[in-house]
Amino acid sequence: DQQVKQNSPSLSVQEGRISILNCDYTNSMFDYFLWYKKYPAEGPTFLISISSIKDKNEDGRFTVFLNKSAKHLSLHIVPSQPGDSAVYFCASRDNYGQNFVFGPGTRLSVLP
Amino acid sequence: EAQVTQNPRYLITVTGKKLTVTCSQNMNHEYMSWYRQDPGLGLRQIYYSMNVEVTDKGDVPEGYKVSRKEKRNFPLILESPSPNQTSLYFCASSFTGMVNTEAFFGQGTRLTVV
Repeated sequence: DQQVKQNSPSLSVQEGRISILNCDYTNSMFDYFLWYKKYPAEGPTFLISISSIKDKNEDGRFTVFLNKSAKHLSLHIVPSQPGDSAVYFCASRDNYGQNFVFGPGTRLSVLP
Repeated sequence: EAQVTQNPRYLITVTGKKLTVTCSQNMNHEYMSWYRQDPGLGLRQIYYSMNVEVTDKGDVPEGYKVSRKEKRNFPLILESPSPNQTSLYFCASSFTGMVNTEAFFGQGTRLTVV
């Protein structure tokens, strides 16, 4: 059973608008959440993270929101740029600092 | 420069011919892992290792072997590759026991089994 879910396989957004990527998880032991970005022919690269003691973390155009009671997190990109077009993976790690678990990814297309 | 290095980047092989994909990291990470990425299925974990001589199965371990004899290296071994193992493979590493750290990924190995 998938512990980290990204129910939207793809998302298209106009340049300059907000992109919202969603992620749900099932394991209440998960304590740290990460977003990775992946371009074709490259490995995933770390984008932003959030600890379960916070509900929001911001880094420039990227903000991650965590709703622990709903086991839901989202990544907001404002404003979206064509260079943001990539596959975004949501991931989590339990509070023992053990294994990473990744979601299936959402392909974001930012249209000029 | 901190990095995870996989070799080869591209490999075409025939069914049944044993192969090894190497992975090496220079960050002194305890944790290392292998993933495969397939269209529509995202990143699925094959095997992971929490430290030297400690390995465990991920979600899709069938047909794969790993070993962790040294901290920096975590090779992925396909004893008898089959066409359903055609995929894009990624190695990753991180510190163990520290929750608030990210995993670093290699550039990927595209494997085709004919």
